[in-house]
Amino acid sequence: GAGVSQTPSNKVTEKGKYVELRCDPISGHTALYWYRQSLGQGPEFLIYFQGTGAADDSGLPNDRFFAVRPEGSVSTLKIQRTERGDSAVYLCASSQKLASSYNEQFFGPGTRLTVL
Amino acid sequence: AQSVSQHNHHVILSEAASLELGCNYSYGGTVNLFWYVQYPGQHLQLLLKYFSGDPLVKGIKGFEAEFIKSKFSFNLRKPSVQWSDTAEYFCAVNIYNQGGKLIFGQGTELSVKP
Repeated sequence: GAGVSQTPSNKVTEKGKYVELRCDPISGHTALYWYRQSLGQGPEFLIYFQGTGAADDSGLPNDRFFAVRPEGSVSTLKIQRTERGDSAVYLCASSQKLASSYNEQFFGPGTRLTVL
Repeated sequence: AQSVSQHNHHVILSEAASLELGCNYSYGGTVNLFWYVQYPGQHLQLLLKYFSGDPLVKGIKGFEAEFIKSKFSFNLRKPSVQWSDTAEYFCAVNIYNQGGKLIFGQGTELSVKP
């Protein structure tokens, strides 16, 4: 019964660098979501996976952002050529069933990304 | 684009006061509605949800919310707040049959004075 875990909890990087953020969903959860939360704002949807495939990536802000979930469990959010505006808390959530909007999403603690 | 609006950014109340946090959304079709809470230092947690049926839904810790379709609103209420209710509250909407993504409001920070 562990919850959603995210690593690292904090990441400080320099402008232009590449970063990877990892999410471990609750075991058995087939849907996985990434959100971004900027200071003073609510979470903003980025992408979600059903199994291994990205079912909806409409929230990714540009092509510097990419996410994978190769085995249908752990997911990695990848950000290339980071910019100061990418600084935010990146949240991951998982839910139990495929293709349903009726299932509660369980959120992880987030990764706080700071781009200097 | 669909959006969610929370009327208050920061609410300060004394213990035992009544609480109402406003939430409005912009979408004319069928929606699922949620309130999430984030206590200091903790993860986002689901407080309550509405999918269908009785528009008055009850959640954990004495919270309730009322869905008023004609007003596109889903306001959160609690008759008597406690110091432990100090947290940030987020309203969220899911568009029916468009997958599970949530559209969040900007959040309301609630501070309860003992």
